[in-house]
Amino acid sequence: QSVLTQPPSVSGAPGQRVTISCTGSSPNIGAGYDVHWYQQLPGTAPKLLIYGNSDRPSGVPDRFSGSKSGTSASLAITGLQAEDEADYYCQSYDSSLSGLVFGGGTKLTVL
Amino acid sequence: EVQLVESGGGLVQPGGSLRLSCAASGFTFSSYWMSWVRQAPGKGLEWVANIKQDGSEKYYVDSVKGRFTLSRDNAKNSLYLQMNSLRAEDTAVYYCATGNGPFDYWGQGTLVTVSS
Repeated sequence: QSVLTQPPSVSGAPGQRVTISCTGSSPNIGAGYDVHWYQQLPGTAPKLLIYGNSDRPSGVPDRFSGSKSGTSASLAITGLQAEDEADYYCQSYDSSLSGLVFGGGTKLTVL
Repeated sequence: EVQLVESGGGLVQPGGSLRLSCAASGFTFSSYWMSWVRQAPGKGLEWVANIKQDGSEKYYVDSVKGRFTLSRDNAKNSLYLQMNSLRAEDTAVYYCATGNGPFDYWGQGTLVTVSS
């Protein structure tokens, strides 16, 4: 059971918009710790997608955006493309565990 | 170009030991926190440990405390993870990553299998 809760799967048709939620609690997201998002394409290492809740590293398309409010965060992907099919993970810090934590991951299927 | 290359994985019996290495290039290694993140087969990501730039601070997930030891050699641009008393549940791909959350760059991973 992950400290950060994500839906196991989401799906959308090409061109559509999807969102992936990441629900935490007071020792982690609710305490103000930043949320970061990673994309893991099949058979590859994870890649940083969003950092500091809403910032994109260089090279990440602006179709990807992040937000945070209260004890939750969200990743939005607009203009879905087949190449976006991957697993997505949120990550933050948890003060009660004194460590870094990940969400359980969400598998995005492009229909 | 940032490169992180892990090595040292393999098959080990329960109770055994392994030492993972991560060779870094393309950035100023001594200026970055470094971390290990693992992924059990078919499962999600789990942070394992991280180490400050000068090695003065190290942190571990509870499940590996007392069994795993993280170290670095800034002169050799290398990160190490000594894993002792290995258990079946330690079976995973181990990734070396830059940073302390966010993890900016990741290696390709090395597979550790703990089985008799």
